[in-house]
Amino acid sequence: SQQGEEDPQALSIQEGENATMNCSYKTSINNLQWYRQNSGRGLVHLILIRSNEREKHSGRLRVTLDTSKKSSSLLITASRAADTASYFCATDTYGGSQGNLIFGKGTKLSVKP
Amino acid sequence: GAVVSQHPSRVICKSGTSVKIECRSLDFQATTMFWYRQFPKQSLMLMATSNEGSKATYEQGVEKDKFLINHASLTLSTLTVTSAHPEDSSFYICSARETVSKQYFGPGTRLTVT
Repeated sequence: SQQGEEDPQALSIQEGENATMNCSYKTSINNLQWYRQNSGRGLVHLILIRSNEREKHSGRLRVTLDTSKKSSSLLITASRAADTASYFCATDTYGGSQGNLIFGKGTKLSVKP
Repeated sequence: GAVVSQHPSRVICKSGTSVKIECRSLDFQATTMFWYRQFPKQSLMLMATSNEGSKATYEQGVEKDKFLINHASLTLSTLTVTSAHPEDSSFYICSARETVSKQYFGPGTRLTVT
């Protein structure tokens, strides 16, 4: 069953602008991960944030996690046309022994040159 | 990063036939692999967890007799869609777990059942 809910479902911005995507989840988690998927392709792991972390950076990516609100956000700064893709959050639920991920519905980002 | 491959990348089959999809971890051993299904414009849905040397664990609503999973070695898991029907047409993605918190995804297999 799906746990994460991303919003917005679709986001269209101009190159150079920042893109913010949000994710909410329902149960306790070990960690939350963000993935990127180009149309019809596999997933690329972007960043992992653990339940005891509040913010993490990787290049132009900034992820926040608020476990009290069960939500996370992904910020892409200075977006580029090549950032056009779908972005999914995935939760590794607390107590899960095998690390199976539950994915959200995703945000489709379109960056216009 | 680690590499996971899937074969084939695309397959078209006739209704009633069976299709086997392979998932390989190329540079690490994976005792656990996962199979996901993704319908157009939707998210990934976990189908089953594949454990090397033991039976797969299926998610609720996934028919184990229809989606046969075999994880015979530490680098290979296979998903066989038996008696495929048009509604089985989907994008199937596997992932292989390297550590408890790190798994790598394959590029996916596009299955079309005519």
